[in-house]
Parts: sequence; C-alpha cells; structure tokens
Amino acid sequence: SQQGEEDPQALSIQEGENATMNCSYKTSINNLQWYRQNSGRGLVHLILIRSNEREKHSGRLRVTLDTSKKSSSLLITASRAADTASYFCATENQAGTALIFGKGTTLSVSS
Amino acid sequence: NAGVTQTPKFRVLKTGQSMTLLCAQDMNHEYMYWYRQDPGMGLRLIHYSVGEGTTAKGEVPDGYNVSRLKKQNFLLGLESAAPSQTSVYFCASNTVRAGAFFGQGTRLTVV
Repeated sequence: SQQGEEDPQALSIQEGENATMNCSYKTSINNLQWYRQNSGRGLVHLILIRSNEREKHSGRLRVTLDTSKKSSSLLITASRAADTASYFCATENQAGTALIFGKGTTLSVSS
Repeated sequence: NAGVTQTPKFRVLKTGQSMTLLCAQDMNHEYMYWYRQDPGMGLRLIHYSVGEGTTAKGEVPDGYNVSRLKKQNFLLGLESAAPSQTSVYFCASNTVRAGAFFGQGTRLTVV
C-alpha cells in the first residue's frame, strides 16, 4: 500500500492565487519529499524536509511537516500558469531503502 | 552531465514478447528504482536496488525482473509481456536520504 496520500486530488486556481496541497503518511519517516511532474515528463525533485524540521522554504515554495499528525503541506505562493503540473509527496519505505510515492495532486493554474 | 537516461522512449510489444528497458545514471548514485505510472494510480514501485549486484522487490514486482550488474545501469525485463503491463515506466536514482533524479520515461504499449 502507498505510504503517502495527497489531498486534494485536483486543484484549479487563478494566476496569482496561492495553492496548498497536503500529504498524509502512515509510518514514521526520516524525511518527506515533494516532486513536480509536467505532463508527459519525468518527475522533478522540489524540496526535502527532514523529520526534525518543521518548515522549509525554496523560492515560492513553502513546505511544512507535522510529525505528530503524520502530515505535510506544500504551499505555492503567487501561482503562475507554468506551475500547472502534478505534485507528489514521497517517503521512504520502512527499511529506508526505497522511495514510495502517493497518487499526486493535479494543479491547474489559469491565466 | 546527462543525469538519468532511459532507453527506449517508446515501444509497442505483442502479448508474450519480451523486452528489456535500460536505465543509466552518471551521478554515481547508490540507489536506483523502477516505477510504473498508470492513470489515477500515481507511481508504483516495481523493483529497486541499493547498490551494484543487489535488487529488491517493490510494490508491484510480478511479471518483471531486474539486474544491476554495474553501478550506473539498472535493467528492467519483461519476460512475457501482457496488456496489463501497458504503462509509462520511470527510472530514478539517488543517494541515501536525498532527492531522486528521474528519467524521461518509457511509454510501453502491449497489444
């Protein structure tokens, strides 16, 4: 079964608005990662947050991690049409040897 | 620096045929993965490797075999292709507890 589950499955917003996606996971983690996938392309790593971190920023991206609730959120501020993509969270399996992905959130940003 | 390269990019197989997908990375990464991506299912882990000469089963290993004879290469084999194996296949690599780099994918159709 998949470790991480993203919510919502789909999100449609206007350019300039903020987009928030959530990820819940089941077991304890060492880190949680977020990826972006443009249509028909491979995944691109966005940000990694370690279990002892609560918040991390990268440009317009802000990731939070709440290990007590086993959840993470990805916030994209001031969205652009180019942010249209699917976003996935990933955690390691229990052995810490493989990355397991959720089903993703499809973000559509219209101009 | 090519990153992660998958060959071929597209392939059509007849049911029962066999084929091998090749993944090559030039980043000296220890870990390598094969995923399949189907609509609505996210990425599912087929097999993975934590180092040269080692392989392990992921979430959906049936019908696939893998080999990691050289650190930079990870091969995925389909022994007897079935229509259910029609999918987009992604290879990825990373070092321990770090973000993964993905190839551009192989679109496989089994008829």
